[in-house]
Amino acid sequence: KNQVEQSPQSLIILEGKNCTLQCNYTVSPFSNLRWYKQDTGRGPVSLTIMTFSENTKSNGRYTATLDADTKQSSLHITASQLSDSASYICVVSFISGTYKYIFGTGTRLKVLA
Amino acid sequence: EPEVTQTPSHQVTQMGQEVILRCVPISNHLYFYWYRQILGQKVEFLVSFYNNEISEKSEIFDDQFSVERPDGSNFTLKIRSTKLEDSAMYFCASSVADSTYEQYFGPGTRLTVT
Repeated sequence: KNQVEQSPQSLIILEGKNCTLQCNYTVSPFSNLRWYKQDTGRGPVSLTIMTFSENTKSNGRYTATLDADTKQSSLHITASQLSDSASYICVVSFISGTYKYIFGTGTRLKVLA
Repeated sequence: EPEVTQTPSHQVTQMGQEVILRCVPISNHLYFYWYRQILGQKVEFLVSFYNNEISEKSEIFDDQFSVERPDGSNFTLKIRSTKLEDSAMYFCASSVADSTYEQYFGPGTRLTVT
């Protein structure tokens, strides 16, 4: 069954600290993996998109990694800011005729001053 | 910067009523999507739309749902006879293409069925 699991469910860190969020998937055949940031009550905003051949992709203080062999991805946030408080969602796309999208349940991050 | 817009921001309706949620995708985008998010749960894919027809739909997207691009700019989601369990946030998204292109999400419409 195609699934995307994220950990931890929630995380609290102090401003300025780094953190890493995890995403494991069992989706096949794999097309790409996306990380989104979703502020409460808002639509998701894309952070990174990675295909099978990409190991690392950065977007400012956000760095995503992908290990297609172990079917794991991580999102590393450097020097966290209060505005990083949000849910971070991992989405894996696979091809079955057309593109399909499986969303993870997200990690809720809270950054404290 | 161009953005996806959705109206209304909040819709309250009675069970059994029809609702139409509206979206204006980014103008040069060709692929359009609807997602829903029940409060406290994950985002779920409903349907994708390209070239004036549905290209993919999920199990959730049953006969009660329909989508339309009536005038070349709006993209609508209709729920014919709403149920309590349709209460959710509905997000529209658009993309230049499918595959590895970024999807831009709208701010969402909160649908409350009473």
